[in-house]
Amino acid sequence: NAGVTQTPKFQVLKTGQSMTLQCAQDMNHNSMYWYRQDPGMGLRLIYYSASEGTTDKGEVPNGYNVSRLNKREFSLRLESAAPSQTSVYFCASRSTGDPEAFFGQGTRLTVV
Amino acid sequence: AQRVTQPEKLLSVFKGAPVELKCNYSYSGSPELFWYVQYSRQRLQLLLRHISRESIKGFTADLNKGETSFHLKKPFAQEEDSAMYYCALIRGATNKLIFGTGTLLAVQP
Repeated sequence: NAGVTQTPKFQVLKTGQSMTLQCAQDMNHNSMYWYRQDPGMGLRLIYYSASEGTTDKGEVPNGYNVSRLNKREFSLRLESAAPSQTSVYFCASRSTGDPEAFFGQGTRLTVV
Repeated sequence: AQRVTQPEKLLSVFKGAPVELKCNYSYSGSPELFWYVQYSRQRLQLLLRHISRESIKGFTADLNKGETSFHLKKPFAQEEDSAMYYCALIRGATNKLIFGTGTLLAVQP
């Protein structure tokens, strides 16, 4: 049972490049989330998906897009990376009615 | 809008001292509040939730609706408690899960 898996673990991008961060969970959870973690800023919600087929903006959605491909997968796309998007990105999932969220191991992204 | 505030970025205590990590929230409805912990090189994980009123690893947290607080407490800190602690809130109707800015707890020997 892998839980929540994120790929890649590390990535370096040049300003203006695009990339997609992948997240998959095998716990049959309805809700999935993308966060960024920055020093002094804590975990900030970028986008979330309460159920398959729905996505909603979080606290810091600008510069990002998401796709809930199916119940298992929730991807985060940076269309034109900027240095301000240098961060550690976490994906999480949880089951509706159960408040506990399970997190991936994180993706460390550097934009130069 | 809902918000979670953790006023302390860093809390340093000696082993055996009491610990209180502060968390305040703003939310117009009935909140579901939690504490998550991230130990070094480990994934973020749930520590405890207010509904269950449980004690995990000696930590407790009481929801005070009057003061809109959910402070995390432990009477005697241990070195293995050193970690980043996040207070979190779920907005039930939308499944939106938001976190505070986190407090790094450092327990000195």
